[in-house]
Amino acid sequence: AQTVTQSQPEMSVQEAETVTLSCTYDTSENNYYLFWYKQPPSRQMILVIRQEAYKQQNATENRFSVNFQKAAKSFSLKISDSQLGDTAMYFCAFMKHVAGNTPLVFGKGTRLSVIA
Amino acid sequence: DTAVSQTPKYLVTQMGNDKSIKCEQNLGHDTMYWYKQDSKKFLKIMFSYNNKELIINETVPNRFSPKSPDKAHLNLHINSLELGDSAVYFCASSQLGTDYEQYFGPGTRLTVT
Repeated sequence: AQTVTQSQPEMSVQEAETVTLSCTYDTSENNYYLFWYKQPPSRQMILVIRQEAYKQQNATENRFSVNFQKAAKSFSLKISDSQLGDTAMYFCAFMKHVAGNTPLVFGKGTRLSVIA
Repeated sequence: DTAVSQTPKYLVTQMGNDKSIKCEQNLGHDTMYWYKQDSKKFLKIMFSYNNKELIINETVPNRFSPKSPDKAHLNLHINSLELGDSAVYFCASSQLGTDYEQYFGPGTRLTVT
């Protein structure tokens, strides 16, 4: 079974600064996807960024980027130029890539507070 | 246009009651899911349906019964509600063979008193 570990229950960052959220996972699969989801106080789950395991290049979406280390099974999220609207729970998630859709396996989340 | 919708958004009920949560997606996706988020914010899969057929049923009490009348709908019926059922329930959908992104509904906060 796959497991996802987020070792930082809470983090804070000053507005305009950079912060990195950690995520490690355990799997015997070779093909899979990794995701970061954001959950603001509205509780809506919002996809921030995704990474296919077969791609060596780290994914980037505007101010959000990942550091994907497949051998180390590590998938950290870097948020640059932090904004007040980035305040939210952030969940790292794993999905097997098989013939058919499979559910997400989530970490326990990191609560990020952006301070003005 | 709302991609994945859930009704109701809030549900307060007493122990022992039976309740249903409805989910609809207008994305044309062939797979739908129910996730449960507990009081510590931990999200866990409960059910997965593909083209109206149950694919995954995690270790969920049989008081929970999903029903998919068609590909666009996946409802969750809960019998004999217990205090421990209080949580936020999320519906999600995805499409096989695309970007594998799962689109989430707004969640239903269930409170059992």
